[in-house]
Amino acid sequence: FEMTQPPAVSVSPGQTATITCSGEKLGDKYVCWYQQKPGQSPVLVIHQDYKRPSGIPERFSGSFSGNTATLTISETQALDEADYYCQAWDNNAAVFGGGTKLTVL
Amino acid sequence: QVQLVESGGGVVQPGKSLRLSCTASGFTLNNYPIHWVRQSAGRGLEWVAVISYDGSSDYNAGSVKGRFSVSRDTSRNTVHLQMSGLRPDDTAVYYCARLVGTPHYIDVWGKGTTVTVSS
Repeated sequence: FEMTQPPAVSVSPGQTATITCSGEKLGDKYVCWYQQKPGQSPVLVIHQDYKRPSGIPERFSGSFSGNTATLTISETQALDEADYYCQAWDNNAAVFGGGTKLTVL
Repeated sequence: QVQLVESGGGVVQPGKSLRLSCTASGFTLNNYPIHWVRQSAGRGLEWVAVISYDGSSDYNAGSVKGRFSVSRDTSRNTVHLQMSGLRPDDTAVYYCARLVGTPHYIDVWGKGTTVTVSS
């Protein structure tokens, strides 16, 4: 089971960034999204496809269509620049997408 | 404050062994399944292993099967990742992470401990 993300996405400050995650039969699974800044541990930003943990800004949202999950960051700020990973479960194993480097230009 | 702390990383020669530990503050580690995830420099996240909350079951990634094992010391509220037959491609930052919820998700990660396998 594999998930594919675009290696890089660029966005201008204040615009909307979208990061996709696709995989065969991904529609049968729940997807989480993690944000990781350089030198830091991953931080959960979305779980169960669209749920936002407490403390995560409303600018972060998740959605699903078919076998593609999407992380949307509205009104993107410079502090959102990071690597983003999607993650799903294959039985007891966590499977991560390859990660997307979000650059806020 | 809910935190996980990894320890035990270091520089080790190929073929040698190393044991990593994961301890918790702000919650009881024994109540949660714990995952180990690693990340090589400049690379993505790779799942390594998981142990159930009571230690009755554990699972490993194919890349470490037969070499790594995960265990719990419930008396010390600690989870260990025992690594043997280490190879250069095991070089990475190793994170422990807490599993919660239904459906499951990882909500807390440690800061990681670095393992370098080199002669």
